[in-house]
Amino acid sequence: AQSVTQLDSQVPVFEEAPVELRCNYSSSVSVYLFWYVQYPNQGLQLLLKYLSGSTLVKGINGFEAEFNKSQTSFHLRKPSVHISDTAEYFCAVSLLLQGAQKLVFGQGTRLTINP
Amino acid sequence: DTGVSQDPRHKITKRGQNVTFRCDPISEHNRLYWYRQTLGQGPEFLTYFQNEAQLEKSRLLSDRFSAERPKGSFSTLEIQRTEQGDSAMYLCASSLRTGGGGELFFGEGSRLTVL
Repeated sequence: AQSVTQLDSQVPVFEEAPVELRCNYSSSVSVYLFWYVQYPNQGLQLLLKYLSGSTLVKGINGFEAEFNKSQTSFHLRKPSVHISDTAEYFCAVSLLLQGAQKLVFGQGTRLTINP
Repeated sequence: DTGVSQDPRHKITKRGQNVTFRCDPISEHNRLYWYRQTLGQGPEFLTYFQNEAQLEKSRLLSDRFSAERPKGSFSTLEIQRTEQGDSAMYLCASSLRTGGGGELFFGEGSRLTVL
């Protein structure tokens, strides 16, 4: 069965500091991996995704993630965060389901940016 | 493109009452998903439609839950005889791309509180 573990439930950082949000997955088959962001009282928005090819994936808002097959990880990074990055971040793995995909999400990491 | 819309955004009900949520997907999307998100957790898959056909239901979807997508357009999720454990955010998502790797576009969710 596929599963996702986000190793930190909360990550506080200062504005303009770098940040890494950790995600590990387990799967017996090749996977597609995603990071979604959820701002307060809003739905989930796709940040980036890994399907194949280059293991370094760039997304919106200056975020990037690196797929590491040997460590079964897909950590999210940003070199310099802004107050507006305060949100909940979810890592997800895709399970193909009769022609479409079912996303299995991690528990989420709450990123808090302090001035 | 107005995105995925959900109604109502908030619903407070008493235990034992029935509630219904509506989701309007992005117009050209033929795939529609329902997820449930409880406090401090990531979204959990409930069910999936391809056009009007409901192709998969999670074990989380007890017999008190029913979802429909008549004519392959909007969808409704009904919960009968609500229980306090049903309190959660119910998220709807839609997608177009076939196979894996396609982006799911989420609505802002319908928050249910059962008293």
